[in-house]
Amino acid sequence: AQKVTQAQTEISVVEKEDVTLDCVYETRDTTYYLFWYKQPPSGELVFLIRRNSFDEQNEISGRYSWNFQKSTSSFNFTITASQVVDSAVYFCALSELIQGAQKLVFGQGTRLTINP
Amino acid sequence: DTGVSQNPRHKITKRGQNVTFRCDPISEHNRLYWYRQTLGQGPEFLTYFQNEAQLEKSRLLSDRFSAERPKGSFSTLEIQRTEQGDSAMYLCASSSGPTTAYGYTFGSGTRLTVV
Repeated sequence: AQKVTQAQTEISVVEKEDVTLDCVYETRDTTYYLFWYKQPPSGELVFLIRRNSFDEQNEISGRYSWNFQKSTSSFNFTITASQVVDSAVYFCALSELIQGAQKLVFGQGTRLTINP
Repeated sequence: DTGVSQNPRHKITKRGQNVTFRCDPISEHNRLYWYRQTLGQGPEFLTYFQNEAQLEKSRLLSDRFSAERPKGSFSTLEIQRTEQGDSAMYLCASSSGPTTAYGYTFGSGTRLTVV
């Protein structure tokens, strides 16, 4: 079965430091999608990125960047020059084929605290 | 496009009572999903509808849980005889196609507390 592992349960850094959140996955599907979501204290899931398994190009969006390495089944997320507003729980997720659709399999999340 | 709407946002109920949650997907989305998120965990898939047909159910969905999607529009999730272990955030998502390339939008969730 598909599995997502986020080994870092909690990370705490000082503002302006760079921080990397790790994500390792297991899948039997040949085509799949990987996601990162942010969950602030209010509880809603904020979509950050979706990546197709055939596209291994790294992506940068402002202070956020993602490193997808199929060879090691990893999809890591880096925040550069972190800010207090980045404090949240971050989830990595993997799509899994079901009848006529795909469901998401989530990791356990990494709680990121940015201290001023 | 007003996004995925879930009601109520919060629900407190006594153990043994029945509760019902509602999810209104994005209007053109024919696929609807329910997830449950307990404290300190990631969301876990519960069930999925394509139009009005319920095509997949997780083993997490015990006999006390029932979901419907009449006419393929909004969906309801009912929990009968609630237990303290049912306390969680219940999330709904919708999509317009067979893969997540068609989009996968989550609602803000209903937080259930069973006392």
